[in-house]
Amino acid sequence: ETGVTQSPTHLIKTRGQQVTLRCSSQSGHNTVSWYQQALGQGPQFIFQYYREEENGRGNFPPRFSGLQFPNYSSELNVNALELDDSALYLCASSLGASGANVLTFGAGSRLTVL
Amino acid sequence: KNEVEQSPQNLTAQEGEFITINCSYSVGISALHWLQQHPGGGIVSLFMLSSGKKKHGRLIATINIQEKHSSLHITASHPRDSAVYICAAPGTLYGGATNKLIFGTGTLLAVQP
Repeated sequence: ETGVTQSPTHLIKTRGQQVTLRCSSQSGHNTVSWYQQALGQGPQFIFQYYREEENGRGNFPPRFSGLQFPNYSSELNVNALELDDSALYLCASSLGASGANVLTFGAGSRLTVL
Repeated sequence: KNEVEQSPQNLTAQEGEFITINCSYSVGISALHWLQQHPGGGIVSLFMLSSGKKKHGRLIATINIQEKHSSLHITASHPRDSAVYICAAPGTLYGGATNKLIFGTGTLLAVQP
């Protein structure tokens, strides 16, 4: 049974560029949640995808968007990057969208915006 | 005020000590999660509990639903336990749905040999 895989692990972008981060969910999981973790802070919920549909969104602007594919892997896209977007982006998969499901986290994608 | 608060923020212990990290929450929850994050980022789920107590090795988690309080205990602490410990609860912060996790700010634990 594979865990959650995120790619890339590290990347550097400049302001105004666009980025796509990828997440392969754990086998058997149908839900992926994305979180942003700034340095020294706790993770902040971006959005969740359940069975290919967005299932809730945190306080992030529309330039943060996502997708979930039929195999339940997911992408996070961020347009018009800003310096404050520099953070660790974590995805977590679970079986079911309830907050009472065990989460499996990926190692994260560390984004630096210059 | 955060809906999920942890204490202490920082904790230094000597190897072998018994450690307690506390978490208080103000939302109605279906379950509370305890997570461990090592330097570099990766998060590991330690426990998910909705009542009572759970134990895994040297780790014990308890929750008191009436008091909206949970604790994570580490017995016979070891330097490899050094990490950030985070509690998280599903909450209504984002309006309506209660399936989105709200994270505490974490407790940075350093266990010295």
